[in-house]
Amino acid sequence: GAGVSQSPRYKVAKRGQDVALRCDPISGHVSLFWYQQALGQGPEFLTYFQNEAQLDKSGLPSDRFFAERPEGSVSTLKIQRTQQEDSAVYLCASSLSGIQDEQYFGPGTRLTVT
Amino acid sequence: AQKVTQAQTEISVVEKEDVTLDCVYETRDTTYYLFWYKQPPSGELVFLIRRNSFDEQNEISGRYSWNFQKSTSSFNFTITASQVVDSAVYFCALSEAVIQGAQKLVFGQGTRLTINP
Repeated sequence: GAGVSQSPRYKVAKRGQDVALRCDPISGHVSLFWYQQALGQGPEFLTYFQNEAQLDKSGLPSDRFFAERPEGSVSTLKIQRTQQEDSAVYLCASSLSGIQDEQYFGPGTRLTVT
Repeated sequence: AQKVTQAQTEISVVEKEDVTLDCVYETRDTTYYLFWYKQPPSGELVFLIRRNSFDEQNEISGRYSWNFQKSTSSFNFTITASQVVDSAVYFCALSEAVIQGAQKLVFGQGTRLTINP
């Protein structure tokens, strides 16, 4: 595809439910990032993959958050036992590879936990 | 820790006015990158510019210009002759130490810019 795509665009979950958010990066992009953006705030780093390897997960707020990218392309961010504080927009970004490459962002998934 | 501060939460101007968005950063790294992104109502972050810490030349791209000053740790963004389509939230960001070749971005809180016709 032309850009990074994310699905679903909107997700409403009841507190305690598990959710899975999908990211399709730009084809051929090696690096993939997940960010969390609370209302009225800037995005905050969650985790980073280089191909299928998760090289940094220091931003994941708790062990309820889990991300994977098993074949080095599509990535899934899973949140178990959702809480109200998990309500945010989850942004995915990909870049070609190295430090000179800009990150291209998807439209995000807006998660609302009721 | 690295930090980006955008002190202006909201700015509202009339079309055709010039407007400057401020960005101040903190880092202990000697090598770093600074970015500006635009986030229109659709939500997708749009890359505007990347500047590395060794290049202090100002840059101009059409109606957009950027002023990078290491002495004051600032990377300000000016829109000349603003247009309604410039209305968006603008984020300044700083790359943290490189993790095996990739840039981990630290964002400011954003400035909501409204251009009124």
